[in-house]
Amino acid sequence: AQKVTQAQTEISVVEKEDVTLDCVYETRDTTYYLFWYKQPPSGELVFLIRRNSFDEQNEISGRYSWNFQKSTSSFNFTITASQVVDSAVYFCALSETYNTNAGKSTFGDGTTLTVKP
Amino acid sequence: GAVVSQHPSWVICKSGTSVKIECRSLDFQATTMFWYRQFPKQSLMLMATSNEGSKATYEQGVEKDKFLINHASLTLSTLTVTSAHPEDSSFYICSASLGTGMNTEAFFGQGTRLTVV
Repeated sequence: AQKVTQAQTEISVVEKEDVTLDCVYETRDTTYYLFWYKQPPSGELVFLIRRNSFDEQNEISGRYSWNFQKSTSSFNFTITASQVVDSAVYFCALSETYNTNAGKSTFGDGTTLTVKP
Repeated sequence: GAVVSQHPSWVICKSGTSVKIECRSLDFQATTMFWYRQFPKQSLMLMATSNEGSKATYEQGVEKDKFLINHASLTLSTLTVTSAHPEDSSFYICSASLGTGMNTEAFFGQGTRLTVV
């Protein structure tokens, strides 16, 4: 069974601080996808990044960066110089790729990030 | 990227009535669609997996007679909440998958907020 753990329930930072959201996952599959989504108060899921299990390269997109370490089954997300607009709930998710479960996602419990001015 | 449209975005209904939510893949054919439910301040939990032309597979604890899923075409799946009650009030999100095989991923709709009064 798949499992995603986001140990941080809530994080509060002051604007311009850097913040890292942790994500640890469990799976027996050798091929899978990892995702991060942002969910603002309006509720829709905003896609941030997808990472294939074979691609361990870290990625940077503007103020966002992701650190994927297969050895520790972690996929952490860092926001540099945080802004008030970054306040939201962030979900880490793992998606299966095999057979009829392809596309089936397991979500972490989410981390509520509050960025104060 | 692929687009999944969910309709309606929000709905309010009276207790005892039924509500239908549509999930459409706009620019691709989705062999498999997934339905998730998110209660306030909680994570997304998979309710059921829907494969085109066959019966949906429900997760443990989800009443199949209450949450009717129809996946009659490769671009449309519907979730009908029958005899809705206030405890069914939730955020419902669908995702659509390109199907089986390696490197398949799913794309999420924008969600439907259901309020039962």
